[in-house]
Amino acid sequence: SQTIHQWPATLVQPVGSPLSLECTVEGTSNPNLYWYRQAAGRGLQLLFYSVGIGQISSEVPQNLSASRPQDRQFILSSKKLLLSDSGFYLCACSLPRGAFFGQGTRLTVV
Amino acid sequence: GNSVTQMEGPVTLSEEAFLTINCTYTATGYPSLFWYVQYPGEGLQLLLKATKADDKGSNKGFEATYRKETTSFHLEKGSVQVSDSAVYFCALMMAGDSNYQLIWGAGTKLIIKP
Repeated sequence: SQTIHQWPATLVQPVGSPLSLECTVEGTSNPNLYWYRQAAGRGLQLLFYSVGIGQISSEVPQNLSASRPQDRQFILSSKKLLLSDSGFYLCACSLPRGAFFGQGTRLTVV
Repeated sequence: GNSVTQMEGPVTLSEEAFLTINCTYTATGYPSLFWYVQYPGEGLQLLLKATKADDKGSNKGFEATYRKETTSFHLEKGSVQVSDSAVYFCALMMAGDSNYQLIWGAGTKLIIKP
């Protein structure tokens, strides 16, 4: 079965600092990978998805970017964080039988 | 377009009460339907699913039946526990979508009081 690893679990960063969140997948090859953001008490906002190495689709224009350097690695980045980037970030792998999520990263921008 | 609508929360119940969380969908084809649960501070976990009309998904005492005639997939549990307190998400996946992308409802927060 597939396992999604996300790190770090929590992160506090100052405004204007860079960001790198990493997600790796075990147990499946050539997965479709997703980054979501969840504001406090809100639903899921799709940020990026990738169907293969180097292939990134952006759903929401903002100061975040994503990269997929390896088949099972998906990275979310920012050059300069904004206060509005605070939230709970979730990586997911989507398969025909459903989506499977990592444990999430709680990002607080101060 | 395809979409999922869930009842707004929070839903507050006493322990051992009967639970229903409503979910309806709009889809141009034949979706698979899912319920996910998110406990505080965690990622989402697949709770149950159904892939065709009249299928019933079940897990951990929760059930949902795929009703094509009413385009619904309501989540039910006969007797809730405090440990069921969480946010519940309904979602659909369109058949033939090679991205296997899920379309999500807004989530319903469930609070169970002892």
